[in-house]
Formats: sequence, structure tokens, C-alpha cells
Amino acid sequence: RKEVEQDPGPFNVPEGATVAFNCTYSNSASQSFFWYRQDCRKEPKLLMSVYSSGNEDGRFTAQLNRASQYISLLIRDSKLSDSATYLCVVNDRGSTLGRLYFGRGTQLTVWP
Amino acid sequence: EADIYQTPRYLVIGTGKKITLECSQTMGHDKMYWYQQDPGMELHLIHYSYGVNSTEKGDLSSESTVSRIRTEHFPLTLESARPSHTSQYLCASRRGDTEAFFGQGTRLTVV
Repeated sequence: RKEVEQDPGPFNVPEGATVAFNCTYSNSASQSFFWYRQDCRKEPKLLMSVYSSGNEDGRFTAQLNRASQYISLLIRDSKLSDSATYLCVVNDRGSTLGRLYFGRGTQLTVWP
Repeated sequence: EADIYQTPRYLVIGTGKKITLECSQTMGHDKMYWYQQDPGMELHLIHYSYGVNSTEKGDLSSESTVSRIRTEHFPLTLESARPSHTSQYLCASRRGDTEAFFGQGTRLTVV
């Protein structure tokens, strides 16, 4: 079983739509959680960290449910520029000494 | 902008050659990582380091080596390049359990 599982996608939505991505992780000792965005043939870039209480940054909202080992990302009022691959990332502070685990990514295409 | 740099950005090299991909960061980060990623595919961890003189193997480490003699420098060496090594190589660094920053990557083609 993979450490981090994401919705496979692809998601194709019109501009202005609301879209949600889900991610589950297998190690209950995981301590830090992130969403990254990766554009085609570019490096991943941090979109937002995910905090226990949930956090919002403009049109983006991230939620963490430790009991269910579940992370979500909600994008409201989608823009064409949101088209990218979204990566769920989990940090394991246990025996692997700070290894980061990446999901396979969920591809989003926003069309006009 | 993150201060993490990879060189070269693009490299075309013949089979059997030894190559070293460079990665440097000026942020004083303790942890550094090397990933391999084919177009449209997931990231695969090759090696990582949690401090000077400390390295760990990832999932694709058997054909490469790394060293961490200085905090800011984490080079990746392929002793004998093969066409199967053609890919993008991404270096990342982070401080403690905070977010990781990525370099712009090295696109390697082995002919």
C-alpha cells in the first residue's frame, strides 16, 4: 500500500467551478502535510501547508482529518491559471528521519 | 524565490559516461533530497540527507551515489549512464519539518 493516495483525476472543470481533491495517508505518525502545485515540465511549488484546524488562502481551503488520515483541498471560483497537477505531500517524522511522501498527483484542467 | 540551484539544466550524454548533477542551496537547510520524475509521472525518491555526512537511500538508489560534505551542497553521481536514466532529476531542501523547496531540475538525456 502506498504511503499517500490521491484521487487519480483528471478533473476537467469550467471556469468558476468549485473542485475538491482528496488524499489519504497510511502512517498515523505523520506530522506535517502540504499541497504542492506542479505545472507541466516544471518543478513542484508549495501551494499551502495544511494545519490541524484547517486553513484558507484566498480561493484555496485545506482540511486535515487526523482520525481518518485524510487531507483535502478545495478550490473555489476556478481560474484558467489553476490548471496544473496538485500533489499531496506528507512528512513522516518517525524512523525515516524526515522523509517526504508524495502522492501521484491529481491533474486539473480548467476550461473557458 | 527559493535559493536552491541545480546545474546543468539540460544534459545530453553518451552511454557509459560518468556524470554528476549538482545541487546547492543557500538557505542553511538541514535536509536535502533527490527525486527522479518522468513526464506526467510521479516523483520517485532517489536519495536524501538529513544533515552533513548523513545520507539515506530512497526507492531508486541502486545506480547512483550522493555525498553531503557541506550543508549547502548535495551532488548526485551516476557512475555509468544508460538510456534508462533519461529523465528529469529534481533536487529539494527543507529545514526540519517545514515545507520543501525545489530546484528547477536537470533534464538528462542519455544517448
